[in-house]
Amino acid sequence: DQQVKQNSPSLSVQEGRISILNCDYTNSMFDYFLWYKKYPAEGPTFLISISSIKDKNEDGRFTVFLNKSAKHLSLHIVPSQPGDSAVYFCAADGSSNTGKLIFGQGTTLQVKP
Amino acid sequence: NAGVTQTPKFRILKIGQSMTLQCTQDMNHNYMYWYRQDPGMGLKLIYYSVGAGITDKGEVPNGYNVSRSTTEDFPLRLELAAPSQTSVYFCASSSLGTPNEKLFFGSGTQLSVL
Repeated sequence: DQQVKQNSPSLSVQEGRISILNCDYTNSMFDYFLWYKKYPAEGPTFLISISSIKDKNEDGRFTVFLNKSAKHLSLHIVPSQPGDSAVYFCAADGSSNTGKLIFGQGTTLQVKP
Repeated sequence: NAGVTQTPKFRILKIGQSMTLQCTQDMNHNYMYWYRQDPGMGLKLIYYSVGAGITDKGEVPNGYNVSRSTTEDFPLRLELAAPSQTSVYFCASSSLGTPNEKLFFGSGTQLSVL
């Protein structure tokens, strides 16, 4: 039972355009969501997060939106850069801020120059 | 600053063999975790620890054991390796109070069981 789903395995965008990565979840008890970025042969690195009491969080070119009623969140990258090409994982905190994260399958983003 | 260090980076095991994946962190973090990532899948939690001497099961603990004798080290033991344990293993750590945002990952161990 996949509680966090990223239904798009891959996404390709042109440099300078917006990248939108989507994530759906099934458990309404999740109260914290995170995005991680992963380059080949490296571990995931934290990108941005959002608490369930908010509907938007920004950090530079990265913005995460949360729609609790739809159990959906999205990551917007504007403008996209070739260095953003990586696998992006959506994750949810399943157990009271203990770091026991539940990850989606990941979306591979390719930003073309 | 080394962060989270995992060894080895690659390993091939035969069915039934055993091995220990090493993980050490130099950030004095209380929380440590082991995740595995299968191809095309997200990371799944195997075991975690909230401090020295304390460990608990995650989502997929079968076939694995852990120990946490020090703050720095969190080894993962595979007994009687099976092909289903072929995966990439990631160790991570975080500091008490802000585990979500401060989850630091190692670079991973790619394990094949043949």
